[in-house]
Amino acid sequence: DAGITQSPRHKVTETGTPVTLRCHQTENHRYMYWYRQDPGHGLRLIHYSYGVKDTDKGEVSDGYSVSRSKTEDFLLTLESATSSQTSVYFCAISGTLDSHEQFFGPGTRLTVL
Amino acid sequence: KNQVEQSPQSLIILEGKNCTLQCNYTVSPFSNLRWYKQDTGRGPVSLTIMTFSENTKSNGRYTATLDADTKQSSLHITASQLSDSASYICVVNTGNQFYFGTGTSLTVIP
Repeated sequence: DAGITQSPRHKVTETGTPVTLRCHQTENHRYMYWYRQDPGHGLRLIHYSYGVKDTDKGEVSDGYSVSRSKTEDFLLTLESATSSQTSVYFCAISGTLDSHEQFFGPGTRLTVL
Repeated sequence: KNQVEQSPQSLIILEGKNCTLQCNYTVSPFSNLRWYKQDTGRGPVSLTIMTFSENTKSNGRYTATLDADTKQSSLHITASQLSDSASYICVVNTGNQFYFGTGTSLTVIP
């Protein structure tokens, strides 16, 4: 998985609780992304980062926040989890925005009860 | 509206047979198009990447074609194996944004 790890890999939580997912890379790539994948939908971009402390919203950013204090770590936070946020979350990295390659992590399965 | 549509949604084939997956897109501007393979419970892994000037690109038993004029791409799998069972995702990059298809689920049976 190209030096990308995600933690936790599985999580079950209750509605209204905060949740933080972590993505860690060892490739020193500039760009990092958070996607969610749901049945019937393609991967949808939540947020992405183009450098330390530089982030921007994707198409489904409502209810999510991100932080990137170091090149290697990109955190996704659900401030108050809802059942609609039950999904599989993937982190990805790339060297450039117009990259010929985007590498994906193994995914985190989140269930919000 | 920028969209990527894949067909069929699902496909079942016998081991050893060939198959072709389709990807039609309305994304503009176009930078590159990739095909990913996603095994169950894993993240997507790149199979091929094609730029505007490339018509065909192969990666082992996988061959991708691109017609930039009609905005269509196909992924041809030759002599399928059980390990080819996966979801295949088409992704179009505009240069600053990625657009994902919903994927084709391929099942190869013995």
